[in-house]
Formats: sequence, C-alpha cells, structure tokens
Amino acid sequence: AQTVTQSQPEMSVQEAETVTLSCTYDTSENNYYLFWYKQPPSRQMILVIRQEAYKQQNATENRFSVNFQKAAKSFSLKISDSQLGDTAMYFCASSGYALNFGKGTSLLVTP
Amino acid sequence: DTAVSQTPKYLVTQMGNDKSIKCEQNLGHDTMYWYKQDSKKFLKIMFSYNNKELIINETVPNRFSPKSPDKAHLNLHINSLELGDSAVYFCASSTGLAGGPGDEQFFGPGTRLTVL
Repeated sequence: AQTVTQSQPEMSVQEAETVTLSCTYDTSENNYYLFWYKQPPSRQMILVIRQEAYKQQNATENRFSVNFQKAAKSFSLKISDSQLGDTAMYFCASSGYALNFGKGTSLLVTP
Repeated sequence: DTAVSQTPKYLVTQMGNDKSIKCEQNLGHDTMYWYKQDSKKFLKIMFSYNNKELIINETVPNRFSPKSPDKAHLNLHINSLELGDSAVYFCASSTGLAGGPGDEQFFGPGTRLTVL
C-alpha cells in the first residue's frame, strides 16, 4: 500500500516570501511519480509540479520547485515569491494505479 | 473546449434517493477515474476505468456503480443515498494506466453532493 503524509495542516506566508510545504511518502513501487496539486477555493484541482522518481534532478516550474530526497522518501514543495493567488489547499500525491493523496496543507498568502 | 466536464456541479437530494453524476472528457484519454473528497478535504480513489474496462474498485459500497458507455464517458450512479455520501466527487482522466510514464491526471470541476 502507498501512503502519503503531509504533516502541516495549515501554513501562512507573506506575499513575496518563500514557503516550503512538506511531504513524505511510502511506496514499494520501483517506477513511480510524485505530484503536487493545488486546489484553490474554486475547487478545481490543478497540477503544480511532477517529479519522476528515477530522475535525480529536482523538478522546477517557474516559482515552484521540489526537493526530492528519494532515500528519505521526502518530496517537499518550495514556493518562491509567494503571490496572493497561491492561496489554496496543496496536495502531495504519489502514483500507483491511481493517485494516492496526502491530507493536504492549507496555505494562506497574506499581503 | 472544457477538457473534463461533470454534470451537475451541485446536487442536493434526500436520503434514499438514487442519483447520477455524468463525466465526459474530450482529451482522447484511455483512463478515467472517480475520486471522493470528504468534508475534511481528503481525496480518495473510488474507481478507475481503462478503455471501458474496470481497473480499480476500491472499498466502495455497492450502492455506487460506475458505468462507462465509451472511453470518453464515465458516469457514477448512486443508489439509496445516505447522509455519509455527502462529499465532492471528482472525475479525472489520464492518457494510460495510472502510474505509467507521463501519467498526469486532468480533473473535472467536481460535483458537490449534499444528502439531506
């Protein structure tokens, strides 16, 4: 069974600052992917970033980057230059036959 | 040109009723899913279909029955609705079997089901 753990239920950051959201996972798969999804108040699920487990290089998408530590089974998300529009629930997920989600971190970006 | 669409977006109904939620994707994907998001925002897979064939059936009451008339559609029918069925239901699709390379999932807007 795959499990994904997000230990921070809520976080807050000021606009333009940097914030890191934590995620750990457990899987027996050899080839897997890890994801961060964003769910703003509109409820739409939006893919933020994706990491292929066999790639050592950390994925980056504009202001979003990950710190992937395969041996530690850690997959944290760093948001740089936070913007008000980043306020949302953030879900870490691992891929199996379907996505296995963590319980989410509610991020509030304040002016 | 919505990629994954669901109808209705909101559904309010009484206990004991039967209801359906429809999902359609125009991305040409082979695999479709239903996820349930509970009141604490926890998302959990319910079903997965690949080319109209059931792949995943998690521990879901048999009051829930998915139906895939073709690979672009995956509908969810719920019989004898209970209070605990109140949740947001998301449909999603992906190019191939989940877990395969490049298997990004595209989500619909969700259907908020409220059972009174």
